[in-house]
Amino acid sequence: DIQMTQSPSSLSASVGDRVTITCRASQSISINLNWYQQKPGKAPSLLIYAASRLQSGAPSRVSGSGSGTDFTLTINGLQPEDFATYYCQQSYGSLWTFGQGTKVAIK
Amino acid sequence: QVHLVQSGAEVKKPGASVNVSCKASGSSFTVYYMHWVRQAPGQGLEWMGWINPNNGDTNYAQKFQGRVTMTRDTAINTAYMELSRLKSDDTAVYYCTRDFGAIAGIPMAAWFWGQGTLVTVSS
Repeated sequence: DIQMTQSPSSLSASVGDRVTITCRASQSISINLNWYQQKPGKAPSLLIYAASRLQSGAPSRVSGSGSGTDFTLTINGLQPEDFATYYCQQSYGSLWTFGQGTKVAIK
Repeated sequence: QVHLVQSGAEVKKPGASVNVSCKASGSSFTVYYMHWVRQAPGQGLEWMGWINPNNGDTNYAQKFQGRVTMTRDTAINTAYMELSRLKSDDTAVYYCTRDFGAIAGIPMAAWFWGQGTLVTVSS
């Protein structure tokens, strides 16, 4: 199975900050990498698919980059509604795996 | 817009089975993969597998092989996930989620999500 490792597992930031979360795959997954946001008590929502494509409805301050094994989610100008947990997920082949999540908390 | 409505919370004893349903709105039920993802209390997301609603083909995570069965009823646009031989660490919220891409290709991403079904396993 392909393992996904996110870092950091948690971070504290202020409104207006730039936040970067990284995700590393245990083998090359091309651009088959998605990012989700989850708020407490809610189902996750898709933010970025195919490593860098912004899902319809996701804010433009969110961006994704990377290919192969190393990927990054960036939020420019953190807003109050961005405090949540973020997960990467690989969709290479037919078997999926999620990263362990990164909780973004208010500083 | 697609709505996925899941069945209600369940409480089961260890060793029992649970069956969670997921009813999809709209007319595209057989066009997109349906996945099941679970989340234990305070933990991360865990992908369990997918079903191709068009032909019933399934693909399960190795961890759940032999314990999980995913089926569908195309007449009522409903997918089902049965998990057997339940253990206490199967206590989790179980989500169905419809894929972003059509089944003509490979599964891409989880786009529409159900509201989740809490399954509690306790003696």
